[in-house]
Amino acid sequence: GAGVSQSPSNKVTEKGKDVELRCDPISGHTALYWYRQSLGQGLEFLIYFQGNSAPDKSGLPSDRFSAERTGGSVSTLTIQRTQQEDSAVYLCASSVISGKLFFGSGTQLSVL
Amino acid sequence: GENVEQHPSTLSVQEGDSAVIKCTYSDSASNYFPWYKQELGKGPQLIIDIRSNVGEKKDQRIAVTLNKTAKHFSLHITETQPEDSAVYFCAASRGAQKLVFGQGTRLTINP
Repeated sequence: GAGVSQSPSNKVTEKGKDVELRCDPISGHTALYWYRQSLGQGLEFLIYFQGNSAPDKSGLPSDRFSAERTGGSVSTLTIQRTQQEDSAVYLCASSVISGKLFFGSGTQLSVL
Repeated sequence: GENVEQHPSTLSVQEGDSAVIKCTYSDSASNYFPWYKQELGKGPQLIIDIRSNVGEKKDQRIAVTLNKTAKHFSLHITETQPEDSAVYFCAASRGAQKLVFGQGTRLTINP
């Protein structure tokens, strides 16, 4: 597709379960970001991949959160042992280096 | 690291009036300043951006100004319309560093 694709669009899970969120960036974009947006709040930076460089993981809130980017394209954000405070919209974005970010529509995660 | 502050958090204006949102940044080496608009249920979309080698940029009813000395930049929307109602985010970055966002401004246009 032409844009950033995220799946699933909605995810309901039980506290303590693991979840995986997927992001397909725009083809050719070297940079990929994950942000978290709690209800009515701003964009909280989580992790940033740029080409083959080591990712900037400085925004990950705990060691329950991890992300990988395979082959410089698709990325998966994994949250282990989910907690209720993890409930939020998780947004993925991609860009060319130093360029405009293109966001996906996000994954709404609800932890019951 | 970079820190971006955005004000106001909410803004309500009458249709046809102008709206101004302001941001300050901390890293004097930042050189890229985009603005994003987020409508309900959607991801943010870029509406305008400016680089540090210019002081102002316009695109129809939208303009952005940059003051590098004071480290602040502003979004100006003129002749506001109901479809301008949304949450607006400013951001800043340096080179290939990550983009850091402000906390957002919820703009409401009253008919």
